[in-house]
Amino acid sequence: GEDVEQSLFLSVREGDSSVINCTYTDSSSTYLYWYKQEPGAGLQLLTYIFSNMDMKQDQRLTVLLNKKDKHLSLRIADTQTGDSAIYFCAESIRNQGGKLIFGQGTELSVKP
Amino acid sequence: AAGVIQSPRHLIKEKRETATLKCYPIPRHDTVYWYQQGPGQDPQFLISFYEKMQSDKGSIPDRFSAQQFSDYHSELNMSSLELGDSALYFCASIRSGGHEQYFGPGTRLTVT
Repeated sequence: GEDVEQSLFLSVREGDSSVINCTYTDSSSTYLYWYKQEPGAGLQLLTYIFSNMDMKQDQRLTVLLNKKDKHLSLRIADTQTGDSAIYFCAESIRNQGGKLIFGQGTELSVKP
Repeated sequence: AAGVIQSPRHLIKEKRETATLKCYPIPRHDTVYWYQQGPGQDPQFLISFYEKMQSDKGSIPDRFSAQQFSDYHSELNMSSLELGDSALYFCASIRSGGHEQYFGPGTRLTVT
């Protein structure tokens, strides 16, 4: 079945690395996404990874995918106060038209 | 770069009234998705359209209907509004064959 789980809160110090974790259950996931949502704002696409990849790096962002454990993580290097937001993990299921199934979101708080 | 446009950004309606939300996808994007995000919740898929035809349907109440027009913009029509319909409604668009689903800023609907 379709289920995406995330821890709800993460607090880090400015300059540290943040790691946000996500697990999914559907082995038919094709693409896995990370979106950022600031208060009252829309969903900003940060990055995505194809399900046959292990890792993707994009500037300060690193996505790791463990297909065996169905575990996805987003690492943010040198976390800044502007990174404070809710981060959603989402999956797109093969042959389901591209709709996204979201996790509950992880609220990242960056303290100066 | 052009983004997804949604209008209105804010809408206040009374119970049992109707509402129409509009979405203008990114140019050359032919697929549109609608999502509903309740307070403190993750976005939930409602309905999607590809080339003006409904392509998938999620947890959309029968009181809601939607369509995609020849210029690819989409409208979500909501009737007999209930207090529980108060939420952020997002539209997202994607080019067929692409993998990057971009979200609009959302319409915040408040039903009183």
